[in-house]
Amino acid sequence: ETGVTQSPTHLIKTRGQQVTLRCSSQSGHNTVSWYQQALGQGPQFIFQYYREEENGRGNFPPRFSGLQFPNYSSELNVNALELDDSALYLCASSSLAEETQYFGPGTRLLVL
Amino acid sequence: QQQVKQSPQSLIVQKGGIPIINCAYENTAFDYFPWYQQFPGKGPALLIAIRPDVSEKKEGRFTISFNKSAKQFSLHIMDSQPGDSATYFCAAPSYNQGGKLIFGQGTELSVKP
Repeated sequence: ETGVTQSPTHLIKTRGQQVTLRCSSQSGHNTVSWYQQALGQGPQFIFQYYREEENGRGNFPPRFSGLQFPNYSSELNVNALELDDSALYLCASSSLAEETQYFGPGTRLLVL
Repeated sequence: QQQVKQSPQSLIVQKGGIPIINCAYENTAFDYFPWYQQFPGKGPALLIAIRPDVSEKKEGRFTISFNKSAKQFSLHIMDSQPGDSATYFCAAPSYNQGGKLIFGQGTELSVKP
């Protein structure tokens, strides 16, 4: 059984650019959630996807968008990057039937 | 109320000591409380979780104590080791936003040899 994987591990972008982060969910999981973790803070919920549909969203602007694919993998897209978007982006997978979320290693994004 | 408040922000103990991390919540609809351990540069890893119908749960050296009436719960690490040095987060799921996890602010634990 493979765990949650994310790519890339690190990324450097400049302000105004767009970025796509990818996540493969753990085997048997059909739900993917994305979180943003600023340095020294707890993860903040961005949104969750279930069966390719958005299933809840946190307080993030529309320039944060996502996709889930039939194999339950997911993408997080961020447009018009701002300096404050610099953070660790975490993907977590789960089964909708249970609360436990399993996190990937994260993608460290730096916006210059 | 959707917050989970965690304390202390940081904690230093000697090897073998018993660090205690506390969390408090307001929303009585919360019914599942996981603890995550995070090492620098890594994603959070589930450590142990509890439901409000039990007052204590032990897994190895980690114990959660739960006080439903006070809406508080705590993580105790028995016989702490330098390898336990990490940041610990308590959390609760909020079902009105797709089952998101609401995290506490985190506790940075350092276990000295």
